[in-house]
Amino acid sequence: QVQLQESGPGLVKPSETLSLACSVSGGSIGTYYWSWIRQPPGKVLEWIGDIHYSGISYYNPSLKSRVTISVDTSKNQFSLSLSSVTAADTAVYYCARREGSYHDYYFDSWGQGTLVTVSS
Amino acid sequence: QSVLTQPPSVSGAPGQRVTISCAGSSFNIGGRYDVHWYRQFPGTAPKLLIYANTIRPSGVPDRFSASKSGTSASLAISGLQAEDEAVYYCQSYDISLSGFVIFGGGTKLTVL
Repeated sequence: QVQLQESGPGLVKPSETLSLACSVSGGSIGTYYWSWIRQPPGKVLEWIGDIHYSGISYYNPSLKSRVTISVDTSKNQFSLSLSSVTAADTAVYYCARREGSYHDYYFDSWGQGTLVTVSS
Repeated sequence: QSVLTQPPSVSGAPGQRVTISCAGSSFNIGGRYDVHWYRQFPGTAPKLLIYANTIRPSGVPDRFSASKSGTSASLAISGLQAEDEAVYYCQSYDISLSGFVIFGGGTKLTVL
């Protein structure tokens, strides 16, 4: 059973860059796509983007200009970088494993989530 | 506002059957993209409940079933139990813009 664990600062200042990492254990990061999803407090889930172990990535069009997702296969880990953050980026950030094919994919394993607050 | 529309809340008594709808459009569910369902308890991560419209992952009771027709999908929970009280989300893919994963607004199930 694969397990995912998010890590990173819980507080980020406005206009700065939010950086999170997701460590994958119980399985190799190879083969699958890996995703970031966020949920502002009391609000709905929002897909941020995915990355394949080969480095191929896809992003939510609404966040694409500010998002970079990268992968480090040697560490079995992938990362999220979100620039120029505002209070609207305050959310619980989840990493997840993407399953399925073509555009019919879903998320079958999730990290526990980490709350990131944007505030000065 | 979510691209997939779910009722904010549904309720039912123990033992009853409830359904949760997920309305989309020709850009997503109607475009023949699969619908998936998740359950989320407060303070925890969502958990996959149904994938590829109707398939239950190992360990999910057969009290949970789902269907898809046209531009909508629905999740049915029979034999309602107190521990089913949670928020349920549908998820699909939307081909508008550059294409992206979309979630419904979530439905809070209350077991009376």
